[in-house]
Amino acid sequence: QVQLQESGPGLVKPSETLSLTCSVSGGSVSSGSYYWSWIRQPPGKGLEWIGYIYDNGNTNYNPSLKSRVTISVDMSKNQFSLKLTSMTAADTAVYYCARQYSGSYGWYFDLWGRGTLVTVSS
Amino acid sequence: DIQMTQSPSSLSASVGDRVTITCRAGQSISSYLNWYQQKPGKAPNLLIHGASSLQSGVPSRFSGRGSGTDFTLTISSLQAEDFATYYCQQTYSLPYTFGQGTKLEIK
Repeated sequence: QVQLQESGPGLVKPSETLSLTCSVSGGSVSSGSYYWSWIRQPPGKGLEWIGYIYDNGNTNYNPSLKSRVTISVDMSKNQFSLKLTSMTAADTAVYYCARQYSGSYGWYFDLWGRGTLVTVSS
Repeated sequence: DIQMTQSPSSLSASVGDRVTITCRAGQSISSYLNWYQQKPGKAPNLLIHGASSLQSGVPSRFSGRGSGTDFTLTISSLQAEDFATYYCQQTYSLPYTFGQGTKLEIK
């Protein structure tokens, strides 16, 4: 069965760039049927969609983060990645990768990684 | 951005109770509404998509209704494993947005 696994540093210094990777196992990131998203959740707070990528490289980002976000896909490694620049304490959160699927009424996230906590601190 | 507002923010109930959580969108989103359950320390889990379609593997005690701006998630008979936080999400327009969550606690 398909599984997603986030990896990356748990601690980032203010002003630095966060780089996270989501590895897809049991399936292909280039299947063509899915979009691949990043979502984050600050400790004790709600969920915020960061952006998605399709296997052809098309992306869409949340305007609140657009100037700092890049999502990319590496089909040879069967993974997709998130880069978030100019990190601040407000970016401290659990970061999830998720698979997006299209139903009769829009997209939904039917598979999630376990999440990785990223803390921004000097 | 489309604002999603859930009510109540928290709810106490007992095993066996029937519980309904409401989600209201800031504008019409047709049926582009999903529900997720999240337990502490875990990733969200999809329950309902398209406002009323039960995700495969989700118990039938969960049901969703609504269209336009007003939606509900109902748990017909609460089980111990249902105590969690529930989020609605719209995918009608970008950016996708979530409700603030409803924490369901044991009475």
